[in-house]
Amino acid sequence: SYELTQPPSVSVSPGQTARITCSGDAMSTQYSYWYQQKAGQAPLLIIYKDSERPSGIPERFSGSSSGTVVTLTISGVQAEDEADYYCQSPDSSGVYVFGKGTKVTVL
Amino acid sequence: EVQLVQSGAEVKKPGESLKISCQGFGYNFTNFWTGWVRQMPGKGLEWMGIIFPGDSDTKYSPSFQGQVTMSVDRSISTAYLHWSSLRASDTAMYYCAKTSVTTGGAFDVWGQGTFVTVSS
Repeated sequence: SYELTQPPSVSVSPGQTARITCSGDAMSTQYSYWYQQKAGQAPLLIIYKDSERPSGIPERFSGSSSGTVVTLTISGVQAEDEADYYCQSPDSSGVYVFGKGTKVTVL
Repeated sequence: EVQLVQSGAEVKKPGESLKISCQGFGYNFTNFWTGWVRQMPGKGLEWMGIIFPGDSDTKYSPSFQGQVTMSVDRSISTAYLHWSSLRASDTAMYYCAKTSVTTGGAFDVWGQGTFVTVSS
């Protein structure tokens, strides 16, 4: 079955930049999406169609794509950004999957 | 305000059936795909499938095909997720969510989740 690969964890100091990658064989031809999930809460969409931000999402969150790898960048990380982050993308048949998630720890 | 309101937590025994619900408010329910996402305790998100309320078209993840059934009742803007015979491994939080034209296949609004416990 189709899989998206993310690093399990990323640690970053406040004010620094966190980058989370997500790779998948079909990503060069399909859009990717990113969600933030804080403890005890439902996920929140933070990036759609590779690099678009929904209204209300801070500008410090950005997305990019290069070939089969997409990247979520959090610039000027704040303590409130500590959460799990998941990428999502469809396979070639249109069935979606999530990556296994990356835990961002703010030191 | 656009929101999805899910039914309350459930405690069931193995082998029992269950149907949980997700009611949409503040938007045209029939025009947007509604999806279901499983999150087992301490684990990540799993995309289960989506249903288009307008014509009940469905797409299931291979991992969940045959294990659950998605349905809708357009008259009350409600989507359902049904198990005919629960297993202990179905214990999890289940979220419903909707897509939008703007965000494509992404889920832009999520329900609050329904926790299902299956235990003898």
